[in-house]
Amino acid sequence: EPEVTQTPSHQVTQMGQEVILRCVPISNHLYFYWYRQILGQKVEFLVSFYNNEISEKSEIFDDQFSVERPDGSNFTLKIRSTKLEDSAMYFCASSVSQGEQYFGPGTRLTVT
Amino acid sequence: AQSVTQLGSHVSVSEGALVLLRCNYSSSVPPYLFWYVQYPNQGLQLLLKYTSAATLVKGINGFEAEFKKSETSFHLTKPSAHMSDAAEYFCAVSAPDQAGTALIFGKGTTLSVSS
Repeated sequence: EPEVTQTPSHQVTQMGQEVILRCVPISNHLYFYWYRQILGQKVEFLVSFYNNEISEKSEIFDDQFSVERPDGSNFTLKIRSTKLEDSAMYFCASSVSQGEQYFGPGTRLTVT
Repeated sequence: AQSVTQLGSHVSVSEGALVLLRCNYSSSVPPYLFWYVQYPNQGLQLLLKYTSAATLVKGINGFEAEFKKSETSFHLTKPSAHMSDAAEYFCAVSAPDQAGTALIFGKGTTLSVSS
């Protein structure tokens, strides 16, 4: 069964460094998403992406964040200058259209 | 704006007992509703969804949920709990008929199952 994959599973970085989190969505899906879950808190929407542009973003998704689909399979989330409060589990998701979104296993980002 | 409230951050049941996890939503129009499950150190797995068809929705692993517009609820039930059901459960809402829209999650309910 097709699934969303994410790499790395765990990323440790120092405050102020740039990180890129990578995702491979399900191949026939058209909509891509990033969410994050700070430890012990609820899952929060960051951004959705369709047809090579952002279709919706939350107030969390500020100028420090960017997304890109560099090729036909990868979908990336970049954090330009990480802060301690960026430490969280980051989930990528994809969907065919409206309806259910399929989530990857997540990347745990630890900022020290 | 849409929102989801999950009543009870932690629910404990005995194996074989009824599971009831509560979810109430707020939306100006009937939304799409979802239940996801998260096992320790894993991602989110879709249990079931309501997308304006039948109000009683059956999902995987014996779970079901009923959409009640009058109560703005979408509670998750399972007649008989199994030890493997122990996990975190999230209710989520999204705008209907809008592709690429955000899922808004509740805070989650941790289900514990004792033998």
